[in-house]
Formats: sequence, structure tokens, C-alpha cells
Amino acid sequence: GAVVSQHPSRVICKSGTSVKIECRSLDFQATTMFWYRQFPKKSLMLMATSNEGSKATYEQGVEKDKFLINHASLTLSTLTVTSAHPEDSSFYICSATSRWQLRTEAFFGQGTRLTVV
Amino acid sequence: AQKVTQAQTEISVVEKEDVTLDCVYETRDTTYYLFWYKQPPSGELVFLIRRNSFDEQNEISGRYSWNFQKSTSSFNFTITASQVVDSAVYFCVLRLPAPNNNDMRFGAGTRLTVKP
Repeated sequence: GAVVSQHPSRVICKSGTSVKIECRSLDFQATTMFWYRQFPKKSLMLMATSNEGSKATYEQGVEKDKFLINHASLTLSTLTVTSAHPEDSSFYICSATSRWQLRTEAFFGQGTRLTVV
Repeated sequence: AQKVTQAQTEISVVEKEDVTLDCVYETRDTTYYLFWYKQPPSGELVFLIRRNSFDEQNEISGRYSWNFQKSTSSFNFTITASQVVDSAVYFCVLRLPAPNNNDMRFGAGTRLTVKP
């Protein structure tokens, strides 16, 4: 199956700093990428959907100025958590798919565990 | 509304027991896709199966089997002869068709613990 690489897998940052998480599709062109957040022992919640070359569409309740998403190429999307605070600590997962993969599963990255201290 | 319900929050079994994880979904669309993913403690999502709404054929893959029943909007997952390595959180997921063809709705997940 297709491979999606997410980096870093773990990051610890100080409160007030910004953190960038990368999501790369390694062997296919990802026309659409999704960013999810998962709280401990909870399900995945969709944060935003980004189409290559367009602004991301954020789910209700997700602050777009806090969670900056860039999808500048068909193989890379980034999520930047700006001015991070302890409540932003969470597990973030990206997934990628393309318009040519409508009937297959979306491919997920390995996830990034963010801890803000 | 599109929704996935996994009523079992946690299940604990002893190794070699069979266990069924329930999944009930809701959608008004006639075309949709259902998935099961496994999430071990590492956090990575492991794809297990995909089913489209036109394919009600049940599937068996080794110790895993899936029962898709459109009449009851259920897509249950059975593990036969469970093993400790099966311990994980399992998510049932509903994927919507175009134009929201990539929007995946996750159930709450079922945490399975298999004890030796």
C-alpha cells in the first residue's frame, strides 16, 4: 500500500513556542490531506482538510490561526501549532489520499505525540 | 447525519477466546465505504479491511472475519482464538462519497485487552 510519512513522531516543546509537523506521501500524489487530533483514550477528531494548492477547510471549533495548515505540494502538508500551550498536547495524525484513490483507504501517517510543557 | 457507533468501550478476554467488536453506522447515502483500523499502543493506525456499500459479502482473513449487514447497518468484526498481540484499540470508520469522498468518520473505538 501507499506510504505516508509523518515527522516528528514525538516532540516536546515549551509553552509559547511553535511546532511544525510534516506529513509526506512517499509514493503517490496526495491531492487531499487530513489532519486529526486524538486525545488520550479518545477517538480521532478531524481538524481540517487540505487540498493541494488551496486553503485548508477547518472543522467547527478548530482555530485556524492556532493550527496553520499548508499543503503547497502534492507530497507535503504541514501542520504548525502556533504559540503552543499545554492544552495543545495531544496525538496528531495526518492522512493522505488522492482523487485517483476514491475507493481505497486513506493512508495514515505514524502520528506525532506533542507534549507542551 | 453520518455516524458510527461502537457501543463497546472496552472488552477484556482471555487468550484463545473469540471476541466480536460491534459497529453500527448511520448514513443517508447509498454509496459509502466502511473500514476497520487497529491502533496498537504505538499509536499508528493499521488498516484491516475496507468494504463498499455494494459488497455485502462477508470476509475472512486468517483469524479475522467481518460481517457486513446492510439491513441492520452493522459491520461487526470477529477475532477468533484471540492472542495477546491483538490487544489494541479498534476503530470502525465510515467514509463518505463525493463530494465529501474523503471525509472519514471514526467511531469511538473499542479497547480490546487480551490476557494471557
